[in-house]
Amino acid sequence: GQQLNQSPQSMFIQEGEDVSMNCTSSSIFNTWLWYKQDPGEGPVLLIALYKAGELTSNGRLTAQFGITRKDSFLNISASIPSDVGIYFCAGLNSGGSNYKLTFGKGTLLTVNP
Amino acid sequence: NAGVTQTPKFRILKIGQSMTLQCTQDMNHNYMYWYRQDPGMGLKLIYYSVGAGITDKGEVPNGYNVSRSTTEDFPLRLELAAPSQTSVYFCASKLETGLRAFFGQGTRLTVV
Repeated sequence: GQQLNQSPQSMFIQEGEDVSMNCTSSSIFNTWLWYKQDPGEGPVLLIALYKAGELTSNGRLTAQFGITRKDSFLNISASIPSDVGIYFCAGLNSGGSNYKLTFGKGTLLTVNP
Repeated sequence: NAGVTQTPKFRILKIGQSMTLQCTQDMNHNYMYWYRQDPGMGLKLIYYSVGAGITDKGEVPNGYNVSRSTTEDFPLRLELAAPSQTSVYFCASKLETGLRAFFGQGTRLTVV
């Protein structure tokens, strides 16, 4: 089946630093999604990317859909303590198989104030 | 608007016991999912449903069963609990045409 490789597995940064994480796939996705999971909660959607090459921002978050459709990255600028959590990438295909949301293993982010 | 509601939040089972994890959503979503999340791992799909009366296996279905008699409810059944089923279970739902999957808060299950 489809697999997503997400890196790094974990990051420890100081408040105010920028963060970058990425996700690669063995196969093509039509849509890339980035989720954040706070401790004890379910994942919440941060950003959705719909087409190859797309660059999308949501506040301090910026994500890009790779032109090969097999990768994506997420940047967080000027990190703050509430950015702590696990960030997941997810791939989705449209059409007949658009039910299937495949997740990466997550990046655990710790922000030291 | 409650979204996706899972019960219970925590449960400890003995090996061989059975239980049902409940999931209900009030958004009229036709797609529903059950995932498990093991420590240091991502979310693995157990079962999914594209509408009432229709269910199908995901990546890791062994040891689980589901049913979808209504649009709102998608319970997950463990018949003979095993220690390997110790995990956090998430239910999610989305519209057929939507990209955003809404997750419940999770059920933390320990099998001892």
